[in-house]
Amino acid sequence: QKEVEQNSGPLSVPEGAIASLNCTYSDRGSQSFFWYRQYSGKSPELIMSIYSNGDKEDGRFTAQLNKASQYVSLLIRDSQPSDSATYLCAVKRSGGFKTIFGAGTRLFVKA
Amino acid sequence: DTAVSQTPKYLVTQMGNDKSIKCEQNLGHDTMYWYKQDSKKFLKIMFSYNNKELIINETVPNRFSPKSPDKAHLNLHINSLELGDSAVYFCASSPRGGEASYNEQFFGPGTRLTVL
Repeated sequence: QKEVEQNSGPLSVPEGAIASLNCTYSDRGSQSFFWYRQYSGKSPELIMSIYSNGDKEDGRFTAQLNKASQYVSLLIRDSQPSDSATYLCAVKRSGGFKTIFGAGTRLFVKA
Repeated sequence: DTAVSQTPKYLVTQMGNDKSIKCEQNLGHDTMYWYKQDSKKFLKIMFSYNNKELIINETVPNRFSPKSPDKAHLNLHINSLELGDSAVYFCASSPRGGEASYNEQFFGPGTRLTVL
């Protein structure tokens, strides 16, 4: 089992729809959870961080964390073509300094 | 001002050569990282320094040697380059990587290394 698993996609949604990106992790003691966006040929950019169970909203983005199910998701409302990118889920283990990245989900938003 | 910078942006070299990549952050962060992203886009941690102290040293060939002269700089030297070293290398930093709520990472633009 991979430490951080994501569906590689591509996930294709029409413009204006809600894009739902999912991630599961294996270390039950993980404490910090992140979503990064990476455009082709660019570096990862942090878009959301979440540390406690529940939802966290920032503009069109909502991160959801369920530690009991070891599941974290990212919802993008009113998807725009500019949201087309690879979304990386990242999880920091309890203690230490290591953050594990998933392989990423490619999102395409069709105009 | 650029928060995390790397030089060079592109590096093309022959097998067997030795090369270095430099990274600097002006965010005042304590923790810096080197990641390798291969052709499948998987981002893998290589090294991390916290206040100039090496704290993560993953299973990386000893041809790779990091060095942190101060907490704002982290360099990566690679000896005897091999074809499999071709990848994009990202530097990143975080405020205090060992603490929850302070380990959000900010990435540099990357160095695309091509070994011929």
